Amino acid sequence: SYVLTQPPSVSVAPGQTASITCGGNNIGSKSVHWYQQKPGQAPVLVVFDNSDRPSGIPERFSGSNSGNTATLTISRVEAGDEADYYCQVWGGNSDHYVFGAGTKVSVL
Amino acid sequence: EVQLVESGGGLVQPGGSLRLSCAASGFSFTTYWMHWVRQAPGKGLMWVSRINGEGSMAIYADSVKGRLTVSRDNAKNTLYLEMNNLRADDTAIYYCARDGRDNTGYYYRNFDNWGQGTLVTVSS
Repeated sequence: SYVLTQPPSVSVAPGQTASITCGGNNIGSKSVHWYQQKPGQAPVLVVFDNSDRPSGIPERFSGSNSGNTATLTISRVEAGDEADYYCQVWGGNSDHYVFGAGTKVSVL
Repeated sequence: EVQLVESGGGLVQPGGSLRLSCAASGFSFTTYWMHWVRQAPGKGLMWVSRINGEGSMAIYADSVKGRLTVSRDNAKNTLYLEMNNLRADDTAIYYCARDGRDNTGYYYRNFDNWGQGTLVTVSS
């Protein structure tokens, strides 16, 4: 089955930029989606189809995808961005849905 | 406003059964694929199952195949998950989620709206 690899944690100072990677074999050929999950809450879709944002998601959240790595970028990080972030793809022929293990973003 | 509200979770003994429900509102339920996604305590997200809009086709993660069954009642705008032969490693928060799609009917194969989840604990 398809495997997505994320770093366990990322730390960033307020106002700086956080980059969260999601690695997978030729992931650039897939559509990658990103979710934010704050403690005790359900996940929220923040980027879909590699780089599109759902309505209501700040422009500070952006995504890219090429080669073997997809990246979620959070610009001008705020304390409220502290959360777990998960990448997700559709497995294709298997018709299964795959999540990365998640990255905890800490705002210093 | 899209709303998904799960219910039916609780404590069940190993080998037992449980049925989860997810009441949907704020959108045309019959025109969307729906999913169950679970999260074990302190762990990441795991996709469990998907069902098509008509309720005629369902797929499952390998770890739950044969024990969990997804269904839907479009007249009641409700999604279900029948859980049988439960094991300790089925302990998790179970979320229902809607598969995102555009106006042409193209499915993004993601989860664009989530419920608040219902906790299932399998323990003796």
